[in-house]
Amino acid sequence: QSALTQPASVSGSPGQSITISCTGTSSDVGAFDFVSWYQQRPGTAPKLMIYEVSNRPSGISNRFSGSKSDNTASLTISGLQAQDEADYYCSSYTGSNNHLFGGGTKLTVL
Amino acid sequence: QLQLQESGPGLVKPSETLSLTCSVSGGSISSTAYYWGWIRQPPGKGLEWIGSIFYSGRTYYSPSLKSRVTISVDTSRNQFSLNLDSVTAADTAVYYCARRRASALDCWGQGTLVTVSS
Repeated sequence: QSALTQPASVSGSPGQSITISCTGTSSDVGAFDFVSWYQQRPGTAPKLMIYEVSNRPSGISNRFSGSKSDNTASLTISGLQAQDEADYYCSSYTGSNNHLFGGGTKLTVL
Repeated sequence: QLQLQESGPGLVKPSETLSLTCSVSGGSISSTAYYWGWIRQPPGKGLEWIGSIFYSGRTYYSPSLKSRVTISVDTSRNQFSLNLDSVTAADTAVYYCARRRASALDCWGQGTLVTVSS
């Protein structure tokens, strides 16, 4: 199984909105509404930001939103803040209780 | 508050077995609502799913690692463990344990770096 495809980097200025894409196949992203997104700051463990495509865990800002169309999922961050600078990873269920991660996207807040 | 903590050797020789344990506190590993998983991250690279286990002992492994991985659970100690056989330098990574609720990993350990070197 190949990793889900994410852009290596995205950037935006404070206050702007950015979107990170996550492209899979009809066997993973396209087959299940089980896409999640994780934020990872340097030297720390990943943190769940979005689950089941568009749901936010308790305590996660509503500036973070998720969506999916066909085989591509997206994470949108609105009102960018300096603290949002981090690596972001998508993950999809692939069936048989297995999961696949994306290669990660480095977000730079200019 | 749920906490997970990885433990084990930080250095493993090539061809040997990597063994790590994840201790769970603040919650029961026997809950029917969760699975418990292992994920790794080579230095400077992305995340890789290794596998997961249910409290009953039912396991699910990544197809790419299935031949070398064993995950087990000890409900009496509220722990679960990872064994990875025949390691090479490519297995050098930060290893994380995490709780899996449905399809998402909602609580992670801090991670532990394991280096494979002679």
